[in-house]
Amino acid sequence: QVQLQESGPGLVKPSQTLSLTCAVSGGSIGSGYNYLSWIRQPAGKGLEWIGRIYSNSYAIFNPSLQSRLTMSVDTSTNQFSLRLTSVTAADTAVYYCATHYSHGGLDYFDYWGQGALVTVSS
Amino acid sequence: SFELTQDPAVSVALGQTVTITCQGDSFRYYSASWYQQKPRQAPVLVFYGRNNRPSGIPDRFSGSCSGTTASLTITGAQAEDEADYYCNSRDNNGYVVFGGGTKLTVL
Repeated sequence: QVQLQESGPGLVKPSQTLSLTCAVSGGSIGSGYNYLSWIRQPAGKGLEWIGRIYSNSYAIFNPSLQSRLTMSVDTSTNQFSLRLTSVTAADTAVYYCATHYSHGGLDYFDYWGQGALVTVSS
Repeated sequence: SFELTQDPAVSVALGQTVTITCQGDSFRYYSASWYQQKPRQAPVLVFYGRNNRPSGIPDRFSGSCSGTTASLTITGAQAEDEADYYCNSRDNNGYVVFGGGTKLTVL
């Protein structure tokens, strides 16, 4: 059973950088047709896909966030990282990491972390 | 980018059948996946592709797609099915989009 766990600061000041890590256990992510994606959800709102990364660091980002976004992977520890720069209150959300199957016109997220609440406030 | 449109809210009587829809041009070319989210919990995948239900998901959940509309049907809705439901698809650049979500109330 694949398990994912997000970690990182729960409070970030405006204009600073949001950094989160996703630790994956019980499976090998970023191989075959499996990516690791980040998804966020502001309180009371819907899901927004942030981007995905493969084990060779190939990544695809949401165009609306691309200019502020960095993702990385450490295959030795099976950890994935997200960095979002120049944050504003609009970036306040629960951030999830999830395994992302993508092949043949089908994309789905089958395992999810519990989510990490990040609040942007001074 | 593209959009996926869902009805904000749907209700169903206990034990009856309900269909939640998701509309978008991407479904002409790409498949839909569906998620159930209960308050203060992470989403759970309940159906994906043409005919795939993850292990542990009751067989009362089924999916279909016709033209630009993907559908999730719950046959014999139970009280525990009350939740928010989201669809997702992709475009030819590999970008993923979620629908706005449908809040299902079981009466």
